[in-house]
Amino acid sequence: DAGVIQSPRHEVTEMGQEVTLRCKPISGHDYLFWYRQTMMRGLELLIYFNNNVPIDDSGMPEDRFSAKMPNASFSTLKIQPSEPRDSAVYFCASSLGYAGNTIYFGEGSWLTVV
Amino acid sequence: AQKVTQAQTEISVVEKEDVTLDCVYETRDTTYYLFWYKQPPSGELVFLIRRNSFDEQNEISGRYSWNFQKSTSSFNFTITASQVVDSAVYFCALSEQDSNYQLIWGAGTKLIIKP
Repeated sequence: DAGVIQSPRHEVTEMGQEVTLRCKPISGHDYLFWYRQTMMRGLELLIYFNNNVPIDDSGMPEDRFSAKMPNASFSTLKIQPSEPRDSAVYFCASSLGYAGNTIYFGEGSWLTVV
Repeated sequence: AQKVTQAQTEISVVEKEDVTLDCVYETRDTTYYLFWYKQPPSGELVFLIRRNSFDEQNEISGRYSWNFQKSTSSFNFTITASQVVDSAVYFCALSEQDSNYQLIWGAGTKLIIKP
C-alpha cells in the first residue's frame, strides 16, 4: 500500500521566493497533518485537517505560511515569501481517526532557503 | 517539566549488543497513548509501535521489544542483537486528552551501531 507521498523531496530556493510543498495522504485517512522539524525546535505541528477542513492552525508560525486541502487526496503547504529561517524538514502525515490513533508520516520535504 | 523525556541523547554500541532506549512520560489522563518512531539517516519518520494506557502487556516484534510500566511512567524500547541498520534517531511520543491528543514528542535518542 502506498504511504504518505510528499513532493518535492528536496528544495533549495532563494529568500523571497514562494515555496509550495505537496502531499498525498494515505487513501481513506481522514486526518492530515503538517509538521516541521528543525534541530532547535524538534518536531512541531503546524496545522491539521479533518475531512479537508482545517481544524487547528495555531502552530503556523506566521502569515507567510498557508495550507490548503482542496480534496481528500491532496494538500499543499505554501510559504510566501520564504526566509532562511524557514529552512527545515517539512513532514506531511495522515491518520484514520484522531484521538490516539497512529499517525503515518511521509518521507519529508527538505527545504533550504538561501 | 517535559512531558516526554528521553534522557539518553546519544547511545553508541557495537553490533550484536543489546541496547535499551528509555522513555519516561508524564500525564494526568487515565487514557493516553504512547508511540515510538524511528528516523534513519535518510530522514523519514517510521512508525514502530502504539500502546494505549490500558494495555501494559509487553510487546515483542522480532529483535524489538517494548516494556510499558505505568508504575514508573516508562515505555522503554529494547533492540536485541543490534545491527548497523538500526542506527537512527528514535523518538518516543505521547498522545493525551489533556493536550487535545496532539503528539508530544521526546527529544529523541540517537543510536549509533558500530560494525
